[in-house]
Amino acid sequence: KQEVTQIPAALSVPEGENLVLNCSFTDSAIYNLQWFRQDPGKGLTSLLLIQSSQREQTSGRLNASLDKSSGRSTLYIAASQPGDSATYLCAVQSTGNQFYFGTGTSLTVIP
Amino acid sequence: GAVVSQHPSWVICKSGTSVKIECRSLDFQATTMFWYRQFPKQSLMLMATSNEGSKATYEQGVEKDKFLINHASLTLSTLTVTSAHPEDSSFYICSAQQGGSYNSPLHFGNGTRLTVT
Repeated sequence: KQEVTQIPAALSVPEGENLVLNCSFTDSAIYNLQWFRQDPGKGLTSLLLIQSSQREQTSGRLNASLDKSSGRSTLYIAASQPGDSATYLCAVQSTGNQFYFGTGTSLTVIP
Repeated sequence: GAVVSQHPSWVICKSGTSVKIECRSLDFQATTMFWYRQFPKQSLMLMATSNEGSKATYEQGVEKDKFLINHASLTLSTLTVTSAHPEDSSFYICSAQQGGSYNSPLHFGNGTRLTVT
């Protein structure tokens, strides 16, 4: 069974810093990997989707990479802002069409 | 962009009653929708996969008679928590993948906070 792990579980940085969130998965048989943001008491907002054949995707200050063979993905956030404070979740869609979520990284950006 | 609407956003009910949660894809068709449950400070736990026009596929350990799922159209799936008990109190979230394509991101509703008293 696919297992998705996110490190660190929590992260606190001062505003303006660049930061990296990590996601690892155990089974490389995936269609895609997706990064989400979740604000307290809210649903999930899709940030970036990387197909299994892709290496990275970029959107604004966000850059996500994927190394399928090693089962790793990183989400890079440049010039962090207090509004970036949220929980970030990664999820993989397996070739069995199921989605598996990591436990998330709680990010706090201090003004 | 693709929008998934979930209703209600919160509900309080008495033990023993049933609660229905709706999940709608507003601007796309979704042959498949997913229902999750999330406990505080934990990740999402997939409860079931809802398939339009057919029976839902439940994850191991999820009681299908307690959590009734109906996917009657390409834009609507409902989750009914039957004979709710306090331990059913949780945050329930639905999602849908636009066009059912692996090239499309998963879109989520804003969730429903259920409190059973």
